[in-house]
Amino acid sequence: NAGVTQTPKFRILKIGQSMTLQCTQDMNHNYMYWYRQDPGMGLKLIYYSVGAGITDKGEVPNGYNVSRSTTEDFPLRLELAAPSQTSVYFCASSYSPGTGNTIYFGEGSWLTVV
Amino acid sequence: AQSVTQLDSHVSVSEGTPVLLRCNYSSSYSPSLFWYVQHPNKGLQLLLKYTSAATLVKGINGFEAEFKKSETSFHLTKPSAHMSDAAEYFCVVSAGTALIFGKGTTLSVSS
Repeated sequence: NAGVTQTPKFRILKIGQSMTLQCTQDMNHNYMYWYRQDPGMGLKLIYYSVGAGITDKGEVPNGYNVSRSTTEDFPLRLELAAPSQTSVYFCASSYSPGTGNTIYFGEGSWLTVV
Repeated sequence: AQSVTQLDSHVSVSEGTPVLLRCNYSSSYSPSLFWYVQHPNKGLQLLLKYTSAATLVKGINGFEAEFKKSETSFHLTKPSAHMSDAAEYFCVVSAGTALIFGKGTTLSVSS
């Protein structure tokens, strides 16, 4: 049972480069999320999606873009990477979080921008 | 609007002693509340959740939490700490379509 799978696990980027973090889930969840985690700050929501073709901004969307062409996949695009985007990124999915359903997380992607 | 405050950024206990990690929440309606644990360089694992059923919620690895509406609290406890409990713990409130995370409490366990 794969759950939520995100790649790559580690990546070093140079300032100004672009990259895509991949996320896929095999639980047929409609809701998918991208969070970033910075030391001592908990997790901040970057973007989320409530279904294929529907995305919306979270708390910290600047510098990122997402798309949701299928139920399974929710890639996160970093354009023109900046040192402030050095962080750990988590993808997550859920059936219906507002009713207390569990949100499942991927293992995380460690990104360093130098 | 929903928010969550973890009252301690760091808690240190000795192995075999009780654990108490404190969490207060703010919600304009009946919330769903969660505790997640994160071991070093790992993802997040659900410990337990409250969804308006029993106010005392039992989770994995001997952890439990009590929902107290009058105090707007959802503290996490464990009777006897184990070395493997050393990790980061997050209290989380459900806010409609997404989760709002506290800033986390680092639990250290000494032998």
